Amino acid sequence: AQTVTQSQPEMSVQEAETVTLSCTYDTSESDYYLFWYKQPPSRQMILVIRQEAYKQQNATENRFSVNFQKAAKSFSLKISDSQLGDAAMYFCAYRSNLSGGGADGLTFGKGTHLIIQP
Amino acid sequence: ETGVTQSPTHLIKTRGQQVTLRCSSQSGHNTVSWYQQALGQGPQFIFQYYREEENGRGNFPPRFSGLQFPNYSSELNVNALELDDSALYLCASSPAGAGGLGEQFFGPGTRLTVL
Repeated sequence: AQTVTQSQPEMSVQEAETVTLSCTYDTSESDYYLFWYKQPPSRQMILVIRQEAYKQQNATENRFSVNFQKAAKSFSLKISDSQLGDAAMYFCAYRSNLSGGGADGLTFGKGTHLIIQP
Repeated sequence: ETGVTQSPTHLIKTRGQQVTLRCSSQSGHNTVSWYQQALGQGPQFIFQYYREEENGRGNFPPRFSGLQFPNYSSELNVNALELDDSALYLCASSPAGAGGLGEQFFGPGTRLTVL
C-alpha cells in the first residue's frame, strides 16, 4: 500500500515571500500521479498542481511549482509571492496509474496548515 | 460547466441510525469517488463507482455502501452509524479510466455529526 507523509503540520510565511511545503511518499510502482490540493476554510478541495511520474520536468502553474525527485520519492510544493488567499490546508496526494489507474482512489497525506502573515 | 455538488451540507444523526449522502458529478465525468475526512486528517478513500458498479474500495466496512445512477450521480449510504463516523464526506468526480490525467474534482462536502 502506498503512503504519503507530510512532516510539517503548520508553516507560516510573510506575504510576498516564498514558502516550500514538503511531501514524501512510499510506493513500489513506477507509473503514478502526484498532486497538491488546497483546502480553504470553505472545505472545498481545489487542485493546485499535478505531476506525472514519467515526466522528469517539474510542473509549474503560475506562482506554484514542484520539486519532484522520483528516486528520493519526494514531491515538494513551492509557492512564490505568497498571497493572503493562499492561506489554507495543503494536501499532497498520490494516485496509481496501473491499469488506467484510478480504482484505488487518491492517497492523501495529513496536510500542512499554511498561514500567511500580512 | 457545472462542478461537483453534494447534499445536504450538514447532517446530524444518532448512533445506530442510517444516512444517505448525495453527489452530482461534474459535467462530462462518469467516475465518482467518495472520501471520509476526519477532523484534522487527510481524506481517506472509501470507494469508487464507474458505469454504475463499484470498481475500487478502501479499508471501510460493508456498512458503507454506494450507488451510481445512469446520470452518473451517486449516493453514499452508511448503516448502523457509529460515533467515529462523524466526519466530512467528500465526493469527487473524474473522467473515465486514465482520462483527465488522474486528477479528481471535489465537491464541497457533507459534514456528518453522529451523536
